[in-house]
Amino acid sequence: DGGITQSPKYLFRKEGQNVTLSCEQNLNHDAMYWYRQDPGQGLRLIYYSQIVNDFQKGDIAEGYSVSREKKESFPLTVTSAQKNPTAFYLCASSIDRFNEQFFGPGTRLTVL
Amino acid sequence: ELKVEQNPLFLSMQEGKNYTIYCNYSTTSDRLYWYRQDPGKSLESLFVLLSNGAVKQEGRLMASLDTKARLSTLHITAAVHDLSATYFCAVDRIIQGAQKLVFGQGTRLTINP
Repeated sequence: DGGITQSPKYLFRKEGQNVTLSCEQNLNHDAMYWYRQDPGQGLRLIYYSQIVNDFQKGDIAEGYSVSREKKESFPLTVTSAQKNPTAFYLCASSIDRFNEQFFGPGTRLTVL
Repeated sequence: ELKVEQNPLFLSMQEGKNYTIYCNYSTTSDRLYWYRQDPGKSLESLFVLLSNGAVKQEGRLMASLDTKARLSTLHITAAVHDLSATYFCAVDRIIQGAQKLVFGQGTRLTINP
């Protein structure tokens, strides 16, 4: 089955810890994206990558970091510098940087 | 800066009724998307509207796009309970050669028996 997977589904973090959210796709898509969703809100773009070994900041990149070492994988690290990280995180991918994005199932991060 | 506004933000309606959700956006864009989100779930793509006057229908949902008015509508016909969800519109913008989506706030739709 082709698709986008995210893990874990739920993640709990203590203040001051860094955590990494996984996003994998087997759709052979070049472009990948990370979004954050807060309760009752739309999605906001954190980082995006158009191609392997390249990525750009989105609208709310502070306190986050990413890597794109493989085409299939685009992990997101939420660092201790992110002041309010509790949110629902969605990964998306598209065949190229101009086409429709498809979304993974999401990771719900809660800071304790 | 591209802004996307939906209204209403909350909508409670009875089964069998018709209603429309509106999506306004502030600057020119090539494409508009409608998504559905169930509680705690990811986004499901409903429609992609590519050009002025585009109309797409799937079951009881119909979406249209007026690029001159910068307005898209999502019309629900004879609503049923299964359509209860949050609906988002999103408009794309090309920045630094890449597509970036800007989302509306979402419309939470509740359909009562």
